[in-house]
Amino acid sequence: DTAVSQTPKYLVTQMGNDKSIKCEQNLGHDTMYWYKQDSKKFLKIMFSYNNKELIINETVPNRFSPKSPDKAHLNLHINSLELGDSAVYFCASSPGQVLYGYTFGSGTRLTVV
Amino acid sequence: QKEVEQDPGPLSVPEGAIVSLNCTYSNSAFQYFMWYRQYSRKGPELLMYTYSSGNKEDGRFTAQVDKSSKYISLFIRDSQPSDSATYLCAMSVPNNDYKLSFGAGTTVTVRA
Repeated sequence: DTAVSQTPKYLVTQMGNDKSIKCEQNLGHDTMYWYKQDSKKFLKIMFSYNNKELIINETVPNRFSPKSPDKAHLNLHINSLELGDSAVYFCASSPGQVLYGYTFGSGTRLTVV
Repeated sequence: QKEVEQDPGPLSVPEGAIVSLNCTYSNSAFQYFMWYRQYSRKGPELLMYTYSSGNKEDGRFTAQVDKSSKYISLFIRDSQPSDSATYLCAMSVPNNDYKLSFGAGTTVTVRA
């Protein structure tokens, strides 16, 4: 059983479209995250939810909107996609303190053309 | 200037060599330090973590933290081709336990 699963794995779409990425974790963790990894492998946090409550909202365009329907799910909706949004988006979860480490999903590779 | 600096490499070593990776950081509030390994087309996975200065060993891996110099290292002994991956350092502050700040990652290739 995959601990943190993201769908889709690959997403190719045109500029201006709206798309969603879904994430589910079966680890019983309280906290979930969205990270963006650019072409140079740099990972940057976007959002974090703890028990469905938004606790981290970094400087991210308003076009990005997370939604956590329950503790095990965290989705990311992106409006009006731009070329610069092309990246790999990782969902992750942790039991609480990050000292115990994140468990990452395998990523969603988004390409905007 | 990024909070966490890491040389992206790439680093290529022969099998059996010692791999030395390091990160520097500017935020003296960082207290928790981690190393993640990321294989191609996969998500990062936690390799080691520590929250104090000094050394921590786990099999062929040794993590070092020098808080006075704001410098952390990861050593891989007897490197294997299966160690070929990107290694990312990460760190956080105690009162902001939910956020990790990552380095850019160093890509390592171990040649058979």
